Amino acid sequence: DVVMTQTPVSLSVSLGGQVSISCRSSQSLVHNNGNTYLSWYLQKPGQSPQLLIYKVSDRFSGFSDRFSGSGSGTDFTLKISRVEPDDLGVYYCGQGTQYPPTFGAGTKLELK
Amino acid sequence: QVQLQQSGAELVKPGSSVKISCKASGYTFTSYDMHWIKQQPGNGLEWIGWIYPGNGNTKYNQKFNGKATLTADKSSSTAYMQLSSLTSEDSAVYFCARWRYGYNYFDYWGQGVMVTVSS
Repeated sequence: DVVMTQTPVSLSVSLGGQVSISCRSSQSLVHNNGNTYLSWYLQKPGQSPQLLIYKVSDRFSGFSDRFSGSGSGTDFTLKISRVEPDDLGVYYCGQGTQYPPTFGAGTKLELK
Repeated sequence: QVQLQQSGAELVKPGSSVKISCKASGYTFTSYDMHWIKQQPGNGLEWIGWIYPGNGNTKYNQKFNGKATLTADKSSSTAYMQLSSLTSEDSAVYFCARWRYGYNYFDYWGQGVMVTVSS
């Protein structure tokens, strides 16, 4: 299985600040078809995860451009700018390139 | 709009079985894989398996072979997961999630079902 390693485990941020979360995969996430199926999910307290970004950098509907994804191969980053209270929760990276789908352990974003 | 409505929390005894449901609405149930994912505190998200309601095909994470059984009822647009021979290790929140084939992501999730295994 592809192992997804996220860092840091937790982050403290001030409202309006900027943060970056790193995600590294144990194997390249480039599919045979040339696509890279790396997604980011946000799980707010008491809720189920929700899709935030897919195919490395495409934002899912409803999410602002304050969220941006980048990376290639095995190294990926999620950046959140101008952090708002509604951004707080646990962020997971996930891969859909190889079966089974796997997820990182999560990064908890908290207020400083 | 797409919604996945899961059944309520379960408190079950060790050694027993439990069947949880996931009722889909707002899309063609038979056209999308439905996946199941386990979440334990501190253990992140773990993929269990999927079912394609259109023909009943299933695929499981090897770890859950014999533990989880996935079924679907097309007439009610409901997916089910039965967990058997329950132990404390099965205490977790279980999510159903729709898979978007070709994009290879989970675009909609149920609210989750907490299963507690305790005597």
